[in-house]
Amino acid sequence: GENVEQHPSTLSVQEGDSAVIKCTYSDSASNYFPWYKQELGKRPQLIIDIRSNVGEKKDQRIAVTLNKTAKHFSLHITETQPEDSAVYFCAASSGADGLTFGKGTHLIIQP
Amino acid sequence: DTAVSQTPKYLVTQMGNDKSIKCEQNLGHDTMYWYKQDSKKFLKIMFSYNNKELIINETVPNRFSPKSPDKAHLNLHINSLELGDSAVYFCASSQGQTLQPQHFGDGTRLSIL
Repeated sequence: GENVEQHPSTLSVQEGDSAVIKCTYSDSASNYFPWYKQELGKRPQLIIDIRSNVGEKKDQRIAVTLNKTAKHFSLHITETQPEDSAVYFCAASSGADGLTFGKGTHLIIQP
Repeated sequence: DTAVSQTPKYLVTQMGNDKSIKCEQNLGHDTMYWYKQDSKKFLKIMFSYNNKELIINETVPNRFSPKSPDKAHLNLHINSLELGDSAVYFCASSQGQTLQPQHFGDGTRLSIL
């Protein structure tokens, strides 16, 4: 089955700086890669996703890149703000068996 | 309007009991899922259900069984609860099984005494 590795487990950045979270996956059949943000005690919320026919996608301060050859994808957050503090999960899917999640990155925005 | 709703939000019960968690989605999606989030925040797929096709994660004990009365509902039944079942259980739904975003419910926090 699929295996998703996520790094780092904790990331602390100064407000206004950029944050980058990286994930690798093992199943070359995976073709859908979403990122979720989870605040304490809340549900995971989709913030951006990318499909395997696309190399990069951007939505305001958030961007995701995908390298299919190397089987890795990354989340980039620019101009970080206090409300960006949360746990971020990457995930991969090849079809009906649901999402395989990374172990999460706790992002801390320092004022 | 809540897109994916779960009840109850909290469930505290004794070891050995049988319990159910309900999930309903009003998005018109045709695929529903159950995920388990353990104390270390690791999210793991338990089941996916689409048009009466059930896909089970092989690591899920057979004490757990999903039941879908219709396309908008996927309930989770758990028999003979064990201490290790304590976790937050999330229901999710998507339109189709591939390449589609999944929308999560607010979760059910299950605590076994």
